[in-house]
Amino acid sequence: AQKITQTQPGMFVQEKEAVTLDCTYDTSDPSYGLFWYKQPSSGEMIFLIYQGSYDQQNATEGRYSLNFQKARKSANLVISASQLGDSAMYFCAMRGRSNTGNQFYFGTGTSLTVIP
Amino acid sequence: EAGVTQFPSHSVIEKGQTVTLRCDPISGHDNLYWYRRVMGKEIKFLLHFVKESKQDESGMPNNRFLAERTGGTYSTLKVQPAELEDSGVYFCASSQGRLGEQFFGPGTRLTVL
Repeated sequence: AQKITQTQPGMFVQEKEAVTLDCTYDTSDPSYGLFWYKQPSSGEMIFLIYQGSYDQQNATEGRYSLNFQKARKSANLVISASQLGDSAMYFCAMRGRSNTGNQFYFGTGTSLTVIP
Repeated sequence: EAGVTQFPSHSVIEKGQTVTLRCDPISGHDNLYWYRRVMGKEIKFLLHFVKESKQDESGMPNNRFLAERTGGTYSTLKVQPAELEDSGVYFCASSQGRLGEQFFGPGTRLTVL
């Protein structure tokens, strides 16, 4: 079975501090992709970062980095220098194997609040 | 380039009524997906179109849900008759290739009273 687990329903961080959002996954596929999306209060889903299962290095995109630990099946999102605009829901997702090879599995999300 | 758009943004209907949600993918994206998030739970896959063909509809909850993508452009998701447990946010996403990044629309918030 393919599954994404986010154990932190809510997180708080002080502005300008770094924060780590946890994500663990379960899959038997050797090839998979891991994604993080941000959902602000306006509702749209914004792609943040991607990590392929065969990528040797952790993915980074500006202030976002993905701490990929394959043996532990974890793909934590690290946001450095938090800004007020980072307050949102964050979803971890995995692209897993389905009939067509591209079904996304999502976690329940983590609500991040950045405190001024 | 316009992103994925969804209409309406909100819909409030009574149990037993019919609602049709629309999704316009990014132009040129053959792959179109529907997802649903029930309050407090994870976003769940409903189905996947490649052009006008349903490639995977394993996530459709029951036969009250009907998705179409005539002509391979926009897609509709009809719920008939709606039940209370159908309330949630329905997301549409599109991707260029089968394994490409999925771009999400803003979602349609459906409330069934």
